[in-house]
Amino acid sequence: NAGVTQTPKFQVLKTGQSMTLQCAQDMNHEYMSWYRQDPGMGLRLIHYSVGAGITDQGEVPNGYNVSRSTTEDFPLRLLSAAPSQTSVYFCASRPLMGELFFGEGSRLTVL
Amino acid sequence: AQSVSQHNHHVILSEAASLELGCNYSYGGTVNLFWYVQYPGQHLQLLLKYFSGDPLVKGIKGFEAEFIKSKFSFNLRKPSVQWSDTAEYFCAVNRNNNDMRFGAGTRLTVKP
Repeated sequence: NAGVTQTPKFQVLKTGQSMTLQCAQDMNHEYMSWYRQDPGMGLRLIHYSVGAGITDQGEVPNGYNVSRSTTEDFPLRLLSAAPSQTSVYFCASRPLMGELFFGEGSRLTVL
Repeated sequence: AQSVSQHNHHVILSEAASLELGCNYSYGGTVNLFWYVQYPGQHLQLLLKYFSGDPLVKGIKGFEAEFIKSKFSFNLRKPSVQWSDTAEYFCAVNRNNNDMRFGAGTRLTVKP
């Protein structure tokens, strides 16, 4: 059982480049979300989705886009990377009533 | 703004000492409460959760937490910590089945 799978695990970008962090879950969870983790700030919610075709903004959505075309996938797009987006990104999913299951994380560095 | 507050940023204990980490939230209404642990270099893992019922919740590895509704608190406790408990601990709150918000985390260092 793979759970929540994120790719890539590591990425280095130059300012202004775009990229997509992939997230897939095989648990048939309705809810999926993206967090960023920065030292001393805990996890901050970027975007979330309660089902296919439905997305909503979290605490820090600026500079990021998401889509949810299937139940399984929830990619996070950085449109024009900035150094402030250097962070560790976690994808997580859960059933509508339940706890979050996290991916392994993606470490992004923007130069 | 509604939030989740963890008052201790870094706690240092000796092995066998007792642990209590504070967590307060500012959301009204019905909430679901969680504690997660993150070991160095790893992703977050669930320690315990509270949805309803007995406000004293027992989790894995000897951890427990008490929900006190009147104080909007969900403090984490362990009677006797071990070196292997060294990690970062996050409190999280889910309200109305929507997004889940996390506290800033408490780093626990247990000295052997």
